[in-house]
Amino acid sequence: DQQVKQNSPSLSVQEGRISILNCDYTNSMFDYFLWYKKYPAEGPTFLISISSIKDKNEDGRFTVFLNKSAKHLSLHIVPSQPGDSAVYFCAASAGNTPLVFGKGTRLSVIA
Amino acid sequence: GAGVSQTPSNKVTEKGKYVELRCDPISGHTALYWYRQSLGQGPEFLIYFQGTGAADDSGLPNDRFFAVRPEGSVSTLKIQRTERGDSAVYLCASSLNGGGSSTDTQYFGPGTRLTVL
Repeated sequence: DQQVKQNSPSLSVQEGRISILNCDYTNSMFDYFLWYKKYPAEGPTFLISISSIKDKNEDGRFTVFLNKSAKHLSLHIVPSQPGDSAVYFCAASAGNTPLVFGKGTRLSVIA
Repeated sequence: GAGVSQTPSNKVTEKGKYVELRCDPISGHTALYWYRQSLGQGPEFLIYFQGTGAADDSGLPNDRFFAVRPEGSVSTLKIQRTERGDSAVYLCASSLNGGGSSTDTQYFGPGTRLTVL
């Protein structure tokens, strides 16, 4: 049973436009959420996180939104750049439990 | 500074053989994690070390898998009697404080791609 779901395996966006990556979770105990970015042949790189006490966290072009009632979070990238093309993983944890990752969404930003 | 390094980058072995995968964490990081990423999946937690001790090994799939971190720095993941289903990318991550804190950012290495023929 997948506790963290990224239902879109891929997403294609034009350069300069907004990219929206979605993530759903089933475990209501999750209280911390993260997004990681992964380029080929590299390990995942931490991008941005949000605690369950917040509903929004912003860092430059990246914003994460959390909707606890819907058990849904999203990552917005605006404006999208070709260098943003990568696989994005959503991850979650409950207290001190290990991170649980989704399957990832491959983002392609077209120039 | 140097990031997390993993060796070898690729390992091809035959079914039934024993393999060791090595992880060098970021200097000064007390927490070290091993994950396995199969094709089309996200990283799956295997084991977490705080210092020299395994604080959580609940993700190890069976007793063929074992990991050590004898001096609280470098860690080795050991797989006995490898099976074709063990083929995956094995990722290592380290974090400064660990303690199981989810807010302690984990920094990943590039991974070791293991192929069992």
